[in-house]
Amino acid sequence: AAGVIQSPRHLIKEKRETATLKCYPIPRHDTVYWYQQGPGQDPQFLISFYEKMQSDKGSIPDRFSAQQFSDYHSELNMSSLELGDSALYFCASSLGRPASQATNEKLFFGSGTQLSVL
Amino acid sequence: DQQVKQNSPSLSVQEGRISILNCDYTNSMFDYFLWYKKYPAEGPTFLISISSIKDKNEDGRFTVFLNKSAKHLSLHIVPSQPGDSAVYFCAVPNYGGSQGNLIFGKGTKLSVKP
Repeated sequence: AAGVIQSPRHLIKEKRETATLKCYPIPRHDTVYWYQQGPGQDPQFLISFYEKMQSDKGSIPDRFSAQQFSDYHSELNMSSLELGDSALYFCASSLGRPASQATNEKLFFGSGTQLSVL
Repeated sequence: DQQVKQNSPSLSVQEGRISILNCDYTNSMFDYFLWYKKYPAEGPTFLISISSIKDKNEDGRFTVFLNKSAKHLSLHIVPSQPGDSAVYFCAVPNYGGSQGNLIFGKGTKLSVKP
């Protein structure tokens, strides 16, 4: 079965550079989520989109932005990169009802993009 | 401040024995709990969940127990198999957040030895 596809798998950038991470959800999934996992840390929710509209926002820095496109894929744009942005970035998808606190929180995660900022 | 705590970073058990992974939470308003499993170089995968109206949910070798008064849940794996070796995350929906806004613990790395 098709899974969530993230690209690239690995990315090396220097401080103050920009980066774009891409996420292709499972077919027919309309909701995407972005998480950041620092070394030895728990995954932290960044942002989510439902039907191309932002549905929730977590601890996402102002230097980051994201969007969901008409084919439901999503991109996370990161500017003025800092050393502390080095982390594993996961995208997840699901069929969503993000306006409510749904009881089914089963998310399907991609394998992540490992970002290293030097 | 960590709202979901997994105080054991690692756990090692023998194949065939029981694995017990623990999770504590701070907010009594949390009413739904999930466990995710993560293998190296892969994203987390959903394993099992429990609603606060229950105190136990079972799925094959995996059982989750919820003790609301203690704000504690545990995941039991019986019998443990080498393929169960992974990092296990406890997660809860962020109260007031929308679907998919989950708060994760830091995870427990389970090693099942043959």
